[in-house]
This record gives sequence, structure tokens and C-alpha cells, in this order.
Amino acid sequence: QKEVEQNSGPLSVPEGAIASLNCTYSDRGSQSFFWYRQYSGKSPELIMSIYSNGDKEDGRFTAQLNKASQYVSLLIRDSQPSDSATYLCAVNDMRFGAGTRLTVKP
Amino acid sequence: ETGVTQTPRHLVMGMTNKKSLKCEQHLGHNAMYWYKQSAKKPLELMFVYSLEERVENNSVPSRFSPECPNSSHLFLHLHTLQPEDSALYLCASSQDRGHRVNQPQHFGDGTRLSIL
Repeated sequence: QKEVEQNSGPLSVPEGAIASLNCTYSDRGSQSFFWYRQYSGKSPELIMSIYSNGDKEDGRFTAQLNKASQYVSLLIRDSQPSDSATYLCAVNDMRFGAGTRLTVKP
Repeated sequence: ETGVTQTPRHLVMGMTNKKSLKCEQHLGHNAMYWYKQSAKKPLELMFVYSLEERVENNSVPSRFSPECPNSSHLFLHLHTLQPEDSALYLCASSQDRGHRVNQPQHFGDGTRLSIL
């Protein structure tokens, strides 16, 4: 069983729409959850971290965590073409999902 | 400038060569990591060093040999690699506070390795 699972996509949304990225994990004892963005040919960069159940908002980004369902998501409001990248979910910061490729079309 | 510098950026080597990848972090962190990133596969954790001691080795073949001489430097020594080892090798660092809740990592730009 994969430890961290993401839909590989590609996920395509129009500019200005909400992009929803999902991630499930297998280790029920996980405490920390991270979303990274990786542009093509670049290294991953941290977008959000979340440690408690519920929502955490930072600008256009909202992370949602549900430990009972072992589920963490990332919402991107008012998506921009510059948001086009691969988004990596990480659990306990060393176990990564395969990433979801997002394309925002102008 | 990411605060984590990797050299070289690109490396092409034959299967019988010996080479080393270098990573240096300027963030004052006490933990460093090596990852392998292959196309369409998750980031694979290879090695973790915390306070200069290796704390994790994820069943990596012995042809990969890490070295962490101090908390700012990390090396990956390569010897007799196989074509399937061609990938992007990423170094990362973080501040390990000794708690169960981990801290986010800062990544270098990676070394693109090609094995002929």
C-alpha cells in the first residue's frame, strides 16, 4: 500500500477558478502535513504546512486536514497561469506523494 | 537563492566511474536529506542525517554512499552506477527539533544525473 497517494492528473482549470488538490495517507499516527509546489525543472518549494484538523488559509491557498479520514487537501482560489506546476503532498515531511500536475488555462 | 546549493547541476558518467555530488546549506539547519526523483514517481527518500548522524537509510544500494562531515555539508558518493540510477538527485535541509512534528524542508536545485 502506498503511504501517500495523490491523483497524478493532469488537472486543468480555467483562470480564476478554484483548483482542488487531494491527498490521502496511510499512517494514522501522522502529525505533520505539507504541500510543496514544483515547477518544471525546479526544486520543490513549500507552500503550506498544517498540523491540526480543519482549515488553514494563506492568501489564495487553503489547506484542509481531516485526520479521521486520513485526508489532506489544497485549494487554490482565483487560479492563475503562474500556478501551473506539480503539487506534492508530504506527510511527516519525508514521505511524498507522486504529485498532481495542475494546468491553469488563460 | 534557495539557501541550499547543490553541485554539479548536471553530471554524465559511465557505469564504471566514481563521482560525488555535493550539497551545502546556509540556513543553520541540523538535518540534511538525499532524495531521488525519477519521472512520474514519488520523491524517494534515500538518506537522512540529523546532527551529522545517519538516522535513516531506505534500503539504498551500496553503490550510493553518503557522507556528512558537518551540519552544513552533505555528499553522495557514486560508484558503479546502473542506467536505472539516472534521475534528479535532490538535497534538502530542515531544523530537527527532536519533536514528533517535523519541520518543512528546503530543497536545493538538484543534480541531473545521467548514466551511460
